Amino acid sequence: GAGVSQSPSNKVTEKGKDVELRCDPISGHTALYWYRQSLGQGLEFLIYFQGNSAPDKSGLPSDRFSAERTGGSVSTLTIQRTQQEDSAVYLCASSPGTGTYEQYFGPGTRLTVT
Amino acid sequence: RKEVEQDPGPFNVPEGATVAFNCTYSNSASQSFFWYRQDCRKEPKLLMSVYSSGNEDGRFTAQLNRASQYISLLIRDSKLSDSATYLCVVRVLGGYQKVTFGTGTKLQVIP
Repeated sequence: GAGVSQSPSNKVTEKGKDVELRCDPISGHTALYWYRQSLGQGLEFLIYFQGNSAPDKSGLPSDRFSAERTGGSVSTLTIQRTQQEDSAVYLCASSPGTGTYEQYFGPGTRLTVT
Repeated sequence: RKEVEQDPGPFNVPEGATVAFNCTYSNSASQSFFWYRQDCRKEPKLLMSVYSSGNEDGRFTAQLNRASQYISLLIRDSKLSDSATYLCVVRVLGGYQKVTFGTGTKLQVIP
């Protein structure tokens, strides 16, 4: 079946502009995660959605970052007033959410802020 | 102390060798454990879950030591295609599914 998809695959933006990144999870997966990974670094947790529960936003680095998940499926991560330090690969993962915690990752969006 | 710690490596091993990585975790309430692999400039992919009794999948064996709070991954008969970064993942018991990723151990299998 279809895996997790993300768009765009690459995004170059100017400092100060807003960007939106999209994630389509695996159908039926109730849990969705956003991470970011800077070059040569580990995964940094950003935000987690589980069904209709309030999201865990504890990893968002600043109030310029926000995310929403509509209808329990597609999610968008928005970065306002982008800064150069926001440059990274943004990864989305989904998980079935019922008794198993294995995550399946999308290919990521490579964000470059110039 | 980090929640999940891994030796970053790199581990450079010849083809056919056996190699093992450990990963330590700090929270004794940790409940679920996984190994992922991540190829260069690619997304992480699930390699295997780690069960309390240990488990094997082909050339890969995963072990859990709750007393010492670490998990291990053993790779036998290393292949060139095993070259990747191996990420240890831990979930703490709770009502949600947030997990913590280690920063990974890099393996380079050389001909």
